[in-house]
Amino acid sequence: DSGVTQTPKHLITATGQRVTLRCSPRSGDLSVYWYQQSLDQGLQFLIQYYNGEERAKGNILERFSAQQFPDLHSELNLSSLELGDSALYFCASSPLLSYNSPLHFGNGTRLTVT
Amino acid sequence: AQTVTQSQPEMSVQEAETVTLSCTYDTSESDYYLFWYKQPPSRQMILVIRQEAYKQQNATENRFSVNFQKAAKSFSLKISDSQLGDAAMYFCAYRATQGGSEKLVFGKGTKLTVNP
Repeated sequence: DSGVTQTPKHLITATGQRVTLRCSPRSGDLSVYWYQQSLDQGLQFLIQYYNGEERAKGNILERFSAQQFPDLHSELNLSSLELGDSALYFCASSPLLSYNSPLHFGNGTRLTVT
Repeated sequence: AQTVTQSQPEMSVQEAETVTLSCTYDTSESDYYLFWYKQPPSRQMILVIRQEAYKQQNATENRFSVNFQKAAKSFSLKISDSQLGDAAMYFCAYRATQGGSEKLVFGKGTKLTVNP
């Protein structure tokens, strides 16, 4: 158990809809990362938050947004969903801003858009 | 931008044998970190091993070891005495130490099958 909790585990929704994915980092971790893993692909970095502030942005679509709350949990909002958004979405956390500390991943949320 | 390439989409190994998974990366930086993650069918991302670029000594974790060739920008993973539980997707990842983010850049992965 990595200590990172993601909910829900599975999500099935229709095109055009909006969903929210939730992540609770490991206790004490201030940095949260979101990744998207499409079929047969590696993990694509979406966005990073540190202590409530956006720190880095990757290949995140304008239809997607995220935030980190004062209690350090994070939410990833996906809107106007398309079939191509079907993927496994991972949240990861790490303490502080240490380059040596590994990212600890949650078990992911499997999103299926029909 | 940094990129990570895993040229072997799939590999197989006999139980108890040794297998090496390849990874190359592209960067202009001199200081960085490299990681191997394992993703079993459960989908969980599990850290296998990590290497600091400034260390010449190759990292080792039990049956897992790396061959880090900095000049060649190569970072291969060797699994010795392969076990059925080693069957998984393996991802190589790079982390820069500059640029304002501690994110990992991942390769596309290698699917490892272990045959009994």
